[in-house]
Amino acid sequence: DADVTQTPRNRITKTGKRIMLECSQTKGHDRMYWYRQDPGLGLRLIYYSFDVKDINKGEISDGYSVSRQAQAKFSLSLESAIPNQTALYFCATAGQPNTGELFFGEGSRLTVL
Amino acid sequence: KQEVTQIPAALSVPEGENLVLNCSFTDSAIYNLQWFRQDPGKGLTSLLLIQSSQREQTSGRLNASLDKSSGRSTLYIAASQPGDSATYLCAVNRNTDKLIFGTGTRLQVFP
Repeated sequence: DADVTQTPRNRITKTGKRIMLECSQTKGHDRMYWYRQDPGLGLRLIYYSFDVKDINKGEISDGYSVSRQAQAKFSLSLESAIPNQTALYFCATAGQPNTGELFFGEGSRLTVL
Repeated sequence: KQEVTQIPAALSVPEGENLVLNCSFTDSAIYNLQWFRQDPGKGLTSLLLIQSSQREQTSGRLNASLDKSSGRSTLYIAASQPGDSATYLCAVNRNTDKLIFGTGTRLQVFP
């Protein structure tokens, strides 16, 4: 089983719909991250969390929100999806002591029509 | 603002060749640099992590070097194999909180 699991793996939705992407991890890591990947732009950080009570914005947080329900779970929500949020979304974790090494899930491909 | 550039964007080589993938970054004040591999439809797999105090790291046929002063890292792949075909991404970490990624080098190794 994967250490970092994302659901759903693929989702097609319509503009204006609310979407939640979920991430769970069995690595026991404190730090969790959400990135999006777009062709030609690389991966960009949306939100990150150091523990259950800690949420931080990344470089492209507008239009997104997150929830850290437990140490092992970190969900990303799009309250009202728009087409330019079509992308591949990755969850990642990092442990303590933090060496800066990240471990990624397999990604969630979201298409907003 | 930190910017990370990878050259070339794509590379196609015959099996057996030794390869060098390049990564450059604009701000030398980094905590570490990490190389990842991404297969189509898959997540990122960490290959090598070089701390700012290190010059290189090796894992099997892979060797990554880091020159902070010049803002450069190279990933050397020895005796390439078709199974090495993937996209290779480098990422720099300034303060242990966030990674800044390059756009990747798409590698194809043909038999």
